[in-house]
Amino acid sequence: DGGITQSPKYLFRKEGQNVTLSCEQNLNHDAMYWYRQDPGQGLRLIYYSQIVNDFQKGDIAEGYSVSREKKESFPLTVTSAQKNPTAFYLCASGDSPNSPLHFGNGTRLTVT
Amino acid sequence: QKEVEQNSGPLSVPEGAIASLNCTYSDRGSQSFFWYRQYSGKSPELIMFIYSNGDKEDGRFTAQLNKASQYVSLLIRDSQPSDSATYLCAVFRPNSNSGYALNFGKGTSLLVTP
Repeated sequence: DGGITQSPKYLFRKEGQNVTLSCEQNLNHDAMYWYRQDPGQGLRLIYYSQIVNDFQKGDIAEGYSVSREKKESFPLTVTSAQKNPTAFYLCASGDSPNSPLHFGNGTRLTVT
Repeated sequence: QKEVEQNSGPLSVPEGAIASLNCTYSDRGSQSFFWYRQYSGKSPELIMFIYSNGDKEDGRFTAQLNKASQYVSLLIRDSQPSDSATYLCAVFRPNSNSGYALNFGKGTSLLVTP
């Protein structure tokens, strides 16, 4: 079955540590996205990539980094510079403008 | 002004009633509109999408779009307790600086009571 796989489902880290969230898709979509969701909030765009080896900052990119070395993969690193990293992180992909985004199951990150 | 606005709710409706969820957007250049359902602790799942003015029906769900008023709504007929969730409105703006990303509202919490 085609879909988006995010791992791990839950992640716990100590403050000051970098952590990488995995996102893999087998939908053959060119575009991939990372969103962050805080309790009672909508989704806010962190980074997006429309093609391999290219990515752009979204609305809240500070403290995050990404790479897009393969079409299928778009990992997100939450660095120690991110001031409030505890959140629900969602990866999505899409195949064209105007088309719906498909979401992975999310990674819930807790930093203490 | 927020780009995509929704009433946070909660909206409470009795089982079997029609639930009406509303969303307004600020950019007149917005082209496509999506409704996602999100259960607590889960990721969003697509319910409906609409591109043209008017109504679009899919089973118990109807999406309504009025571009002149910058307004999109979702009607859920014969509401069931399983429809209790947060409903996210999302909008695609082709000339934004976010590529093909969608802009999301904060969501409306719907509670269907037996």
